[in-house]
Amino acid sequence: DAKTTQPPSMDCAEGRAANLPCNHSTISGNEYVYWYRQIHSQGPQYIIHGLKNNETNEMASLIITEDRKSSTLILPHATLRDTAVYYCIVRVASQGGSEKLVFGKGMKLTVNP
Amino acid sequence: NAGVMQNPRHLVRRRGQEARLRCSPMKGHSHVYWYRQLPEEGLKFMVYLQKENIIDESGMPKERFSAEFPKEGPSILRIQQVVRGDSAAYFCASSSVDTQYFGPGTRLTVL
Repeated sequence: DAKTTQPPSMDCAEGRAANLPCNHSTISGNEYVYWYRQIHSQGPQYIIHGLKNNETNEMASLIITEDRKSSTLILPHATLRDTAVYYCIVRVASQGGSEKLVFGKGMKLTVNP
Repeated sequence: NAGVMQNPRHLVRRRGQEARLRCSPMKGHSHVYWYRQLPEEGLKFMVYLQKENIIDESGMPKERFSAEFPKEGPSILRIQQVVRGDSAAYFCASSSVDTQYFGPGTRLTVL
């Protein structure tokens, strides 16, 4: 079972920031928070991941609470092409790369014009 | 650097035939994962392989399904004697250390 909970859906206006929440209250100290998205029926696309510090890349920002029990993915200027199902996943990150990804139901983000 | 490549993108088989799905990982990646997405459902892990070794096959059906990742060439997911319930999108992912990157998938339709 997935270790995260997300709202089933969210709407956002084009050009505005989209803040996608995720709860992971049982996260362990050695587990990272990963975000992926799946646009229509394409392959999942990696967005960002973090352990405890906030992270930012060219796609998004990840804000993790100090107790690490929840996080927020921020798309600073949402576009219509950001409409997708977003998955928040926690997993152990190791040098061996052996940990499978456990996908939940995700959250459908719809960006409206 | 080319991404993860999968072929064919679409595959149609009749019941009882064999399906072979191929996955070429990103350059420099030695870990390959297969996931299946049934219609209107989420992605489910099937198997994790490194070169010539199956590391975790806990998500693979016990019968008719097999996977390999030979020393040379792509990873192969093989489904023997396909049934209609095998119709799904099959995604391959690869990684070098931690982050998995996914291919575009193979959509299998069993008639």
